Amino acid sequence: AQSVTQLGSHVSVSEGALVLLRCNYSSSVPPYLFWYVQYPNQGLQLLLKYTTGATLVKGINGFEAEFKKSETSFHLTKPSAHMSDAAEYFCAVTTMDTGRRALTFGSGTRLQVQP
Amino acid sequence: GAGVSQSPRYKVAKRGQDVALRCDPISGHVSLFWYQQALGQGPEFLTYFQNEAQLDKSGLPSDRFFAERPEGSVSTLKIQRTQQEDSAVYLCASRFNRQGHEQYFGPGTRLTVT
Repeated sequence: AQSVTQLGSHVSVSEGALVLLRCNYSSSVPPYLFWYVQYPNQGLQLLLKYTTGATLVKGINGFEAEFKKSETSFHLTKPSAHMSDAAEYFCAVTTMDTGRRALTFGSGTRLQVQP
Repeated sequence: GAGVSQSPRYKVAKRGQDVALRCDPISGHVSLFWYQQALGQGPEFLTYFQNEAQLDKSGLPSDRFFAERPEGSVSTLKIQRTQQEDSAVYLCASRFNRQGHEQYFGPGTRLTVT
């Protein structure tokens, strides 16, 4: 079984400040990790993913995340927040050993960006 | 190309009514997933199709929930005798093939049971 914990249901930053959204996972086998963003009344859009290889992954809109196996973490960062980054962010995990590879999501972090 | 589409986008049902939610996946995508997203929560897995075969329905919360994908493309999630606890956003996602990693999500159907 796998699980995801997102620390902080709400994060508020000033425009231009660093964005850090935390994600820790639990998995007994090597995980595949994802960050999705959800704008109001819309579906989920993939920001970035880690499957194998380089542990620092870059995604869309200037976001990046680093897979740290020793810390079972996959935190999402962006150097400089923009107003358009305000949204709900979900971390998700799946593994190779589940044939269906459905995603297990965290409960989400709502990012507010103050002008 | 077109993404995943879902209809209706919003549905209000009276308690006890049956509802049907439709998902049109990306053309050629083999895998299809349904998720339920309660207010303020992350999506939770309901069921999974590989082509027309429903390979996993372990997430369906009760026998009132039924899903089908008869021709391996469009899928319908049906909820019988709706209850207030069924109120949620129902998300559909498709994936190119079994070996793929990335799921593409539709905009969801917001179901409100009154």
